Amino acid sequence: NAGVTQTPKFRVLKTGQSMTLLCAQDMNHEYMYWYRQDPGMGLRLIHYSVGEGTTAKGEVPDGYNVSRLKKQNFLLGLESAAPSQTSVYFCASSYRAGRNTEAFFGQGTRLTVV
Amino acid sequence: GQQVMQIPQYQHVQEGEDFTTYCNSSTTLSNIQWYKQRPGGHPVFLIQLVKSGEVKKQKRLTFQFGEAKKNSSLHITATQTTDVGTYFCAGPLGNAGNMLTFGGGTRLMVKP
Repeated sequence: NAGVTQTPKFRVLKTGQSMTLLCAQDMNHEYMYWYRQDPGMGLRLIHYSVGEGTTAKGEVPDGYNVSRLKKQNFLLGLESAAPSQTSVYFCASSYRAGRNTEAFFGQGTRLTVV
Repeated sequence: GQQVMQIPQYQHVQEGEDFTTYCNSSTTLSNIQWYKQRPGGHPVFLIQLVKSGEVKKQKRLTFQFGEAKKNSSLHITATQTTDVGTYFCAGPLGNAGNMLTFGGGTRLMVKP
């Protein structure tokens, strides 16, 4: 039972490079989320999805794009990485947002932009 | 915009002392969730509160949801070194309540 799997676990990018973070869940969850975590800033919601083919902006969406082509996958893209995007990125999934259910988190992706 | 705020940001306690973290929302919540993140780890769900004034206990942890469903607290009795980590509250915000929004977290450090 894998739960929520994120790839890669670590990545170093040069400013201006692009990359895609992959999140996969095997729990048949409808909702999926991408968060970034910076020291002293808690978890900030970047984008989220309430179902296959749908995405929505969270608190800090600028500089990121997402896609949910398959229910089990949620991709986070950085088109032109900036040092301000150095962070730990967490993906999470749940059956529904806040309806007697819990969010399951992946192990995180540590991204450094130099 | 809608926010979830937590205080304090940090707390140092001696092992055996009690600890409390407080969570406040700018809007009424349908429910509130609590998570724990160990150093270097990922957030792990602890509990969800749904009813106004609800109180739930998990061993030494007591969770409360305010009467107005805008605030919550987590109290740990007689802390242990295994309690070390960051505690987050989270609530469903946004027009449709689909944005699971986290507070800034309270980092608990326990001196043995």
